[in-house]
Amino acid sequence: ETGVTQSPTHLIKTRGQQVTLRCSSQSGHNTVSWYQQALGQGPQFIFQYYREEENGRGNFPPRFSGLQFPNYSSELNVNALELDDSALYLCASSTTEQGVAFFGQGTRLTVV
Amino acid sequence: QKEVEQDPGPLSVPEGAIVSLNCTYSNSAFQYFMWYRQYSRKGPELLMYTYSSGNKEDGRFTAQVDKSSKYISLFIRDSQPSDSATYLCALGGGSARQLTFGSGTQLTVLP
Repeated sequence: ETGVTQSPTHLIKTRGQQVTLRCSSQSGHNTVSWYQQALGQGPQFIFQYYREEENGRGNFPPRFSGLQFPNYSSELNVNALELDDSALYLCASSTTEQGVAFFGQGTRLTVV
Repeated sequence: QKEVEQDPGPLSVPEGAIVSLNCTYSNSAFQYFMWYRQYSRKGPELLMYTYSSGNKEDGRFTAQVDKSSKYISLFIRDSQPSDSATYLCALGGGSARQLTFGSGTQLTVLP
């Protein structure tokens, strides 16, 4: 069984730039969620995708956007990067039948 | 007040000790409860999950949920240095199935 994989593992961007992070869901999972984890904090829910539609969103501005593809993989896009966007970005996959989420290793984004 | 409160620690114990990690929550809508372990700079790894009040045991780990008190716990028996990590409680509920996390407790088990 293939787990959740994310790419890239590390990324450095300049303030004002745009970034795209990618995630491949665990086999058999149709729902993908994205979380932001600042240093020393628990993950914060950004949004969730199911059947290629956004299915819930946390308290994040519209410059955070996403996509889910027919194969259930997903992208997180962040426009107009700010210094405070520096964090570990986590992708999690699950099924609609269970609330249990399985996480990838994360992408560490540094904005300078 | 945060929806989920977790003692951030850090917590340091000798090898073999019993560890108790706790979270309290305020939202009665939470229906399922999870504990994740996170090693430094890695993604969270699912340890335990439960959908009801009571105890659930898996090896050295026991998860306990008390919905009436809005209190969840994770017990680690015979703790090992390899258990040194940050432990996150996560609660879920509702149609979106988003998880609300505690801030994490950093545990160090000393050999």
